[in-house]
Amino acid sequence: QKEVEQNSGPLSVPEGAIASLNCTYSDRGSQSFFWYRQYSGKSPELIMFIYSNGDKEDGRFTAQLNKASQYVSLLIRDSQPSDSATYLCAVTGGFQKLVFGTGTRLLVSP
Amino acid sequence: NAGVTQTPKFQVLKTGQSMTLQCAQDMNHNSMYWYRQDPGMGLRLIYYSASEGTTDKGEVPNGYNVSRLNKREFSLRLESAAPSQTSVYFCASVVGVNTEAFFGQGTRLTVV
Repeated sequence: QKEVEQNSGPLSVPEGAIASLNCTYSDRGSQSFFWYRQYSGKSPELIMFIYSNGDKEDGRFTAQLNKASQYVSLLIRDSQPSDSATYLCAVTGGFQKLVFGTGTRLLVSP
Repeated sequence: NAGVTQTPKFQVLKTGQSMTLQCAQDMNHNSMYWYRQDPGMGLRLIYYSASEGTTDKGEVPNGYNVSRLNKREFSLRLESAAPSQTSVYFCASVVGVNTEAFFGQGTRLTVV
């Protein structure tokens, strides 16, 4: 079992719709949770992080964390074609080990 | 403000050759990481260094060695390159617990 799992997609949504990206993790001791966006040929860049159960909103993005279910999600409201990218879920566990999922490819059509 | 710098950006090796990928950060970060990225595989952790003087294996350490030379530099060495090590390699660093990782621009390595 991989430490961080994501559906590879692609997830296709029309412009203006809500995109919902999901991630599960196996280590119950995981401390912090991140969502990164990666455009083709580029390095990952941080979108959001979340440490506590519940929701965290930043502009069009909302991260949700449920530690009991070991589940993290990212909602993107009013999706734009420029949001088309691969979204990587990352989890920090013991000894500062930072592990990424396989990523979900998002396609937003005009 | 350079951030995380990786060298080289591109490299072609023949099977059996050795090389070292260099990574340096100027942000006084404590932890550094090496990942490889293959199509559809996300970022897979090769080795990491939680602090200067320590290194630990990640998910795919076989065929690689690392050195945390000082707080700034973390190098990745391929002793005998194999075609299976063809990949894009990323170095990253974080300042401390529960903080954002900053990435280098990546090294595209091809082993023929």
